[in-house]
Amino acid sequence: EAQVTQNPRYLITVTGKKLTVTCSQNMNHEYMSWYRQDPGLGLRQIYYSMNVEVTDKGDVPEGYKVSRKEKRNFPLILESPSPNQTSLYFCASSYRGYNTEAFFGQGTRLTVV
Amino acid sequence: SQQGEEDPQALSIQEGENATMNCSYKTSINNLQWYRQNSGRGLVHLILIRSNEREKHSGRLRVTLDTSKKSSSLLITASRAADTASYFCATDASGGSYIPTFGRGTSLIVHP
Repeated sequence: EAQVTQNPRYLITVTGKKLTVTCSQNMNHEYMSWYRQDPGLGLRQIYYSMNVEVTDKGDVPEGYKVSRKEKRNFPLILESPSPNQTSLYFCASSYRGYNTEAFFGQGTRLTVV
Repeated sequence: SQQGEEDPQALSIQEGENATMNCSYKTSINNLQWYRQNSGRGLVHLILIRSNEREKHSGRLRVTLDTSKKSSSLLITASRAADTASYFCATDASGGSYIPTFGRGTSLIVHP
């Protein structure tokens, strides 16, 4: 089954404790991206990647890191999480080029206390 | 920055009525897509309309695109309670990355 898998689905952590949210897709997609969703703000793009070893900042990259060492994986790293990073996070992937749809993971609800 | 903005922010209708939501965007696009999100879950792609298309249908969905006004509309006909969800438009004009950027969404509630 074609899918984007995020883990964990739920995470509560403390300020400053490094964490990684994993994202994996099995569709051989070139493009992958991370979004955060906050009430009233919609989905905001954090980082995106157009291919292996190619990553770019989105609209809200501060406090996040990503890597794309393999085509299928695109982890989101919070080196020192803060409470303002409490949010619902989504990973998405799509084929290269325009006129293609994005496939989303089920989301990771992160709470930083 | 966010490219598409949906209007209205919230819409409440009765089952059987039509629901119309609009999307405005700022810069030229290659395509515009509509997605649906059930509460707290991942987005699901509904329909894509290319910049050279004016109207597209998929089941009970009808999408229009007016590139001169930089706007699109999504019409859901004969709505059902199961259509209750948030609807987002997405455009690909993000520095030419072709990765969609989203608006804030329209929250649709369909009362049985």
